[in-house]
Amino acid sequence: AQKITQTQPGMFVQEKEAVTLDCTYDTSDPSYGLFWYKQPSSGEMIFLIYQGSYDQQNATEGRYSLNFQKARKSANLVISASQLGDSAMYFCAIQSNFGNEKLTFGTGTRLTIIP
Amino acid sequence: GAGVSQSPRYKVAKRGQDVALRCDPISGHVSLFWYQQALGQGPEFLTYFQNEAQLDKSGLPSDRFFAERPEGSVSTLKIQRTQQEDSAVYLCASGKPGGMAYNSPLHFGNGTRLTVT
Repeated sequence: AQKITQTQPGMFVQEKEAVTLDCTYDTSDPSYGLFWYKQPSSGEMIFLIYQGSYDQQNATEGRYSLNFQKARKSANLVISASQLGDSAMYFCAIQSNFGNEKLTFGTGTRLTIIP
Repeated sequence: GAGVSQSPRYKVAKRGQDVALRCDPISGHVSLFWYQQALGQGPEFLTYFQNEAQLDKSGLPSDRFFAERPEGSVSTLKIQRTQQEDSAVYLCASGKPGGMAYNSPLHFGNGTRLTVT
């Protein structure tokens, strides 16, 4: 079984500051992927960034980067230079590379950017 | 279409009614998933198809929930005798074209918000 833990139900950040959203995971699979999704109030799930368990480098996508610490089983999302449009729910998810391709999600963090 | 399409966007059902939720995945996507998202929670897995085969239905909460994908494209999630606890957003997601979605993000629709009164 796989599990994602997001311990920050809500965060408030000043516009233009960087923010780190925490994610820890639990899995017994040797190969897996970690994903972050953004869900604005409109409801759609927007893919942000992916990290494979065997990737040597931390993933980056524009203002998003993933701080992957495999030994600690953490995959924190870092958003640099936050913008008002970053206000949304953020979900961390894990996918095993064996069997079913389903994603297992955490409970999410609600990020609010303050002007 | 360009993305995953779900209909209806909103559905209000009286307790005890049957409902059917439709998902039109991205053309060519082999994998299709249904998730249930309660208010303020993360999406919870319901069921998974590879083409027309339902390979995992372990997340369906009761035998009132039934999903099908008869021709390997459009999928329908049916809920019989709806209960108030079924109120949630139902999300459909599909994988990447032509193959398995390992190491590849799932593409989600906008969901159907079901309210059971």
